[in-house]
Amino acid sequence: DTEVTQTPKHLVMGMTNKKSLKCEQHMGHRAMYWYKQKAKKPPELMFVYSYEKLSINESVPSRFSPECPNSSLLNLHLHALQPEDSALYLCASSQGSRAYEQYFGPGTRLTVT
Amino acid sequence: GEDVEQSLFLSVREGDSSVINCTYTDSSSTYLYWYKQEPGAGLQLLTYIFSNMDMKQDQRLTVLLNKKDKHLSLRIADTQTGDSAIYFCAETLDYGGSQGNLIFGKGTKLSVKP
Repeated sequence: DTEVTQTPKHLVMGMTNKKSLKCEQHMGHRAMYWYKQKAKKPPELMFVYSYEKLSINESVPSRFSPECPNSSLLNLHLHALQPEDSALYLCASSQGSRAYEQYFGPGTRLTVT
Repeated sequence: GEDVEQSLFLSVREGDSSVINCTYTDSSSTYLYWYKQEPGAGLQLLTYIFSNMDMKQDQRLTVLLNKKDKHLSLRIADTQTGDSAIYFCAETLDYGGSQGNLIFGKGTKLSVKP
């Protein structure tokens, strides 16, 4: 199983809503990542969890809050987002320090109204 | 510094070979990658090459690395309409034995005409 799954596939939320994005992998990977991708742009790294601990936070605003409940799951909690936060949010995983083999999920298309 | 450059568009005819080029600036790059992204989808890791290799072949894909010129290319033989997508070149840097983050180019949109 080389699959990373993400739910929901699409999400529309208002600026006062609280929602969560979910990511799951069952490959035994110990590093998980959140990326943000705007239209016609490459993905930008947001957070990295390594062995369930937050190891990298790329100066992401606090309205994005990551959580790694266990080695298979990664959440991204959203609160008080802005319309410019609308993007494709991609989750990825890799085997420990082998960041060179990152497997990506299909993404959640987020629209903030 | 860290910078990965790619041409933005490439158009080929079905059955022809496609060559997508990429240049990078950081000589401490240790792994270089090609990812494919179809419309509305996530990224698919196509292949990667270690920086001590010159070439890697995997079925229809051939990756060439010229370390002197910091140039990476992806050749797709017998290009099919299903190969139409955006192709991202990416690198990771070696930080004392551990791998750094993926640094992506802006992506090359490949259009395959029947």
